[in-house]
Amino acid sequence: GENVEQHPSTLSVQEGDSAVIKCTYSDSASNYFPWYKQELGKRPQLIIDIRSNVGEKKDQRIAVTLNKTAKHFSLHITETQPEDSAVYFCAATYTGGFKTIFGAGTRLFVKA
Amino acid sequence: DTEVTQTPKHLVMGMTNKKSLKCEQHMGHRAMYWYKQKAKKPPELMFVYSYEKLSINESVPSRFSPECPNSSLLNLHLHALQPEDSALYLCASSQQTVSSEQYFGPGTRLTVT
Repeated sequence: GENVEQHPSTLSVQEGDSAVIKCTYSDSASNYFPWYKQELGKRPQLIIDIRSNVGEKKDQRIAVTLNKTAKHFSLHITETQPEDSAVYFCAATYTGGFKTIFGAGTRLFVKA
Repeated sequence: DTEVTQTPKHLVMGMTNKKSLKCEQHMGHRAMYWYKQKAKKPPELMFVYSYEKLSINESVPSRFSPECPNSSLLNLHLHALQPEDSALYLCASSQQTVSSEQYFGPGTRLTVT
């Protein structure tokens, strides 16, 4: 069945360092890969997304890469700041079922 | 208006109660979703409505009953819930059902006693 695996589950970095979160999806028909940030007690909010016809996308300190052959996609955050501390979820949208499957989440801690 | 709103923010109900969760958006989105999120877990899809028609039911127990009265409103009717149904219930909307950003509401924190 459809599945999205996400690693690591917890990531602790020093302020200013880079953070990388990796995801793998199972259904090759997936064509849309959003990343959501969820702060404690708040709603998930989209931070960046990528579609299957693109290999890389960047928005200021955040970038996402997609390897369709390997069914991998990754989130890269550079120059991390304490306010980047949150839970990050990757997701894959399946065209056949019109549904979004989320990864288990990565809890990012940025130490000042 | 670029927000999804949900009411109530918190709800405590007994196992014999009947209650409803409400969700509203005025972004002209034609897809609306209900998710359940337990603590330290990802959102788990429950239902998808596309153009006011139920298009996905992820094998959700019948004690949860969704309703989409019009393109802006989504309800979730609750009846005879169990304590394990306690969770954050998130509503979301998107322009289309696929390849579109989902906008989440703030959620309703449900406690079943």
